Amino acid sequence: AQSVTQLGSHVSVSEGALVLLRCNYSSSVPPYLFWYVQYPNQGLQLLLKYTSAATLVKGINGFEAEFKKSETSFHLTKPSAHMSDAAEYFCAVSGGYNKLIFGAGTRLAVHP
Amino acid sequence: NAGVTQTPKFQVLKTGQSMTLQCAQDMNHEYMSWYRQDPGMGLRLIHYSVGAGITDQGEVPNGYNVSRSTTEDFPLRLLSAAPSQTSVYFCASSDAPGQNTEAFFGQGTRLTVV
Repeated sequence: AQSVTQLGSHVSVSEGALVLLRCNYSSSVPPYLFWYVQYPNQGLQLLLKYTSAATLVKGINGFEAEFKKSETSFHLTKPSAHMSDAAEYFCAVSGGYNKLIFGAGTRLAVHP
Repeated sequence: NAGVTQTPKFQVLKTGQSMTLQCAQDMNHEYMSWYRQDPGMGLRLIHYSVGAGITDQGEVPNGYNVSRSTTEDFPLRLLSAAPSQTSVYFCASSDAPGQNTEAFFGQGTRLTVV
């Protein structure tokens, strides 16, 4: 069975600082991994996805994630945080078709 | 450019009442699903459909029914609402059957059962 663990339910950074949101997965088959972002009172929007074509995946809004099989990780990073990045971020693994298995989420706060 | 549309956006129910959450997509997607979002638990799959006339249970199906009579619509029915069903509900749709396909989400329905 597949599962996702997000380390840290809340992360706070200063504007301009590095953003690092952690995600570890468990999967018995090669995983398909996603990061989604949820802005307040909105639905979820895809940031990026790993599909085995490349281990470093670039997404929207300057975010990227690196797939590390040896560490079973898919951490999300952004070199310089903006105030507009404040949101909740979800890591997910595909359970087949359109079934997604989500982590508990990490709420990112960005301070001036 | 509607995408996935959910109605209503907010709803308050009394325990034991029934209601239907509506979900419609205009992207001709075969796959649709319902999730509930609860604090500290992420999103959990309730039911999903791989095409008109085909539905199946997800992780937390108890207390919910679905049907899929058309490609566009995938309503979620609560037959007898309970306080434990207080949550934010999201409908999603996706296109191809591959495991790496992006899911498109609606804006959500915030349901409170008192």
